[in-house]
Amino acid sequence: DQQVKQNSPSLSVQEGRISILNCDYTNSMFDYFLWYKKYPAEGPTFLISISSIKDKNEDGRFTVFLNKSAKHLSLHIVPSQPGDSAVYFCAAMNSGNTPLVFGKGTRLSVIA
Amino acid sequence: DAGITQSPRHKVTETGTPVTLRCHQTENHRYMYWYRQDPGHGLRLIHYSYGVKDTDKGEVSDGYSVSRSKTEDFLLTLESATSSQTSVYFCAISDRGTGNTIYFGEGSWLTVV
Repeated sequence: DQQVKQNSPSLSVQEGRISILNCDYTNSMFDYFLWYKKYPAEGPTFLISISSIKDKNEDGRFTVFLNKSAKHLSLHIVPSQPGDSAVYFCAAMNSGNTPLVFGKGTRLSVIA
Repeated sequence: DAGITQSPRHKVTETGTPVTLRCHQTENHRYMYWYRQDPGHGLRLIHYSYGVKDTDKGEVSDGYSVSRSKTEDFLLTLESATSSQTSVYFCAISDRGTGNTIYFGEGSWLTVV
């Protein structure tokens, strides 16, 4: 029973264009959401987060959108760069006490 | 970078042998976690700790045990390694008092033959 779903295993985008990575969740108790980026042979690194009291959070080229009614969030990367090629994990939690639950990840390839 | 050190970084072991992975942090964070990453499964929580001697099971805890005798160290033990435990293991830390973000170590690659 997957609580956090990333239904696209992979995504290819042209350099300079927008990358949109999607994530769905089923647990309505989740109130904090994060995106992590992972390069091969390295640990995941924190990218951006959003609390359920917001519907958008922006940090440079990265923006996360949250649609609570649809239990859906997305990560937008604009403009995409070759260095953005990595696996992106969506994660969610109930900030009361539960550990993070991760999706299976989406492999983004940015083509020059 | 968060001060997290995992050891060993790479290990090959035989089926049935015990294996211990160590996570050491210098951030004095209360929470520590062990995740495993496998193709098609993403990151799955094995065990976590919310304080010295306080631990709890995660999603895939069978075959694993943990111990935390000091704030800075969190040990993951495979009592009798199996081939299904071949994986990459990531330690992570967080301090809920300053936010919900968790920070990962660089990983330990374990191969059980």
